[in-house]
Amino acid sequence: KQEVTQIPAALSVPEGENLVLNCSFTDSAIYNLQWFRQDPGKGLTSLLLIQSSQREQTSGRLNASLDKSSGRSTLYIAASQPGDSATYLCAVYQTSGSRLTFGEGTQLTVNP
Amino acid sequence: DAEITQSPRHKITETGRQVTLACHQTWNHNNMFWYRQDLGHGLRLIHYSYGVQDTNKGEVSDGYSVSRSNTEDLPLTLESAASSQTSVYFCASSPGTAYNEQFFGPGTRLTVL
Repeated sequence: KQEVTQIPAALSVPEGENLVLNCSFTDSAIYNLQWFRQDPGKGLTSLLLIQSSQREQTSGRLNASLDKSSGRSTLYIAASQPGDSATYLCAVYQTSGSRLTFGEGTQLTVNP
Repeated sequence: DAEITQSPRHKITETGRQVTLACHQTWNHNNMFWYRQDLGHGLRLIHYSYGVQDTNKGEVSDGYSVSRSNTEDLPLTLESAASSQTSVYFCASSPGTAYNEQFFGPGTRLTVL
């Protein structure tokens, strides 16, 4: 059974800091990995999608990497801002069962 | 703009009642999904559909059912609501292959008393 783990569970940083969120998964048989942002009481917003054949994806200040063989992904946020405060979720789309399996998220707080 | 909507956004019901949560998307996506989100468990898949008349059970399908009569809608029915089904429910859709992004609705907060 696929398991997705996100470390740390919570992170608090000062504004302007560069930071890395970690995601690991146990089964490397995946189609893709997706990073989401969730604001309190809101739905999930897709940030980046990395196909299994890709190593990284970039969108603005966000960069996500994927090392499928080791079962790891990182989300790098450059020059963090208070508006980046949210919970960040990673999810893998596995080939068996054709479903997304989510981690429990990292709650990020960026302090002004 | 194309979007995915859920209704109601909040619902309080009593144990044993039948409840239906609506999900509607205007992207013309083939794939639609229902998840529940609970503290300590994250998001878990309830049911999913790859097209009209297609439905499949997910990880936590007991006590839930779905039907897909058109491309745009995938209603989720709780046959006899239980307190354990108090949760936040999210609907999602994706274009049609495993390689596509999933897009999520705003969620429905359901309380079963």
